[in-house]
Amino acid sequence: QVQLQESGPGLVKPSETLSLTCTVSGYSISSGYFWGWIRQSPGKGLEWIGTTHYSGGTYYSSSLKSRVTISADTSKNQFSLKLTSVTAADTAVYYCARRRGSTGAYWFDAWGQGTLVTVSS
Amino acid sequence: QTVVTQEPSFSVSPGGTVTLTCGLSSGSVSSDYYPTWYQQTPGQAPRTVIYSTNTRSSGVPDRFSGSILGNKAALTITGAQADDESDYYCVLYMGSGISVFGGGTKLTVL
Repeated sequence: QVQLQESGPGLVKPSETLSLTCTVSGYSISSGYFWGWIRQSPGKGLEWIGTTHYSGGTYYSSSLKSRVTISADTSKNQFSLKLTSVTAADTAVYYCARRRGSTGAYWFDAWGQGTLVTVSS
Repeated sequence: QTVVTQEPSFSVSPGGTVTLTCGLSSGSVSSDYYPTWYQQTPGQAPRTVIYSTNTRSSGVPDRFSGSILGNKAALTITGAQADDESDYYCVLYMGSGISVFGGGTKLTVL
């Protein structure tokens, strides 16, 4: 049974870079599937950030594309999120998840518990 | 930028039927957008209810169904139960590997 766990600083200063890691257990990320990040601002809805494949294919939200990088490390069975130049608007619970499906028919079938990142000085 | 629209809130009586919808600020939703529906309760990660318009995720009761109604995707709950009270989010595939969440619908069962 696949399990995902987010980790990283819970507090980031404005203008700095937010960095999170998702550690996957029970499944090798090099076996396939895309792996993604989703966030949820306090009291707000979910926002799709992007997905990555271990082979290098990566897709990003249009609104975050200029600031986000998602990458996979097969040696550690992890994937990561980096978001640059953060502001208070980036304060959110960040979830990592496994994406299944093909040709547009995608869904996230396994999720981490989420980690709250607050942007504040 | 195209916005995915959902009703902010909805209420249904126990045992009743409710249909939540998912539209676009510009254009119509079709099966080519592969609508997916997630259910989320407070403090929990979302779980998939429906994917690819009308396929129920594993373990989801058959009172949940998905469809295209007119120019929107729809999630119908037939015989609503108290534990269906949740936030429901739709996601549409926009092409080029990118998906977009709707703003979510808070469903109250009372």
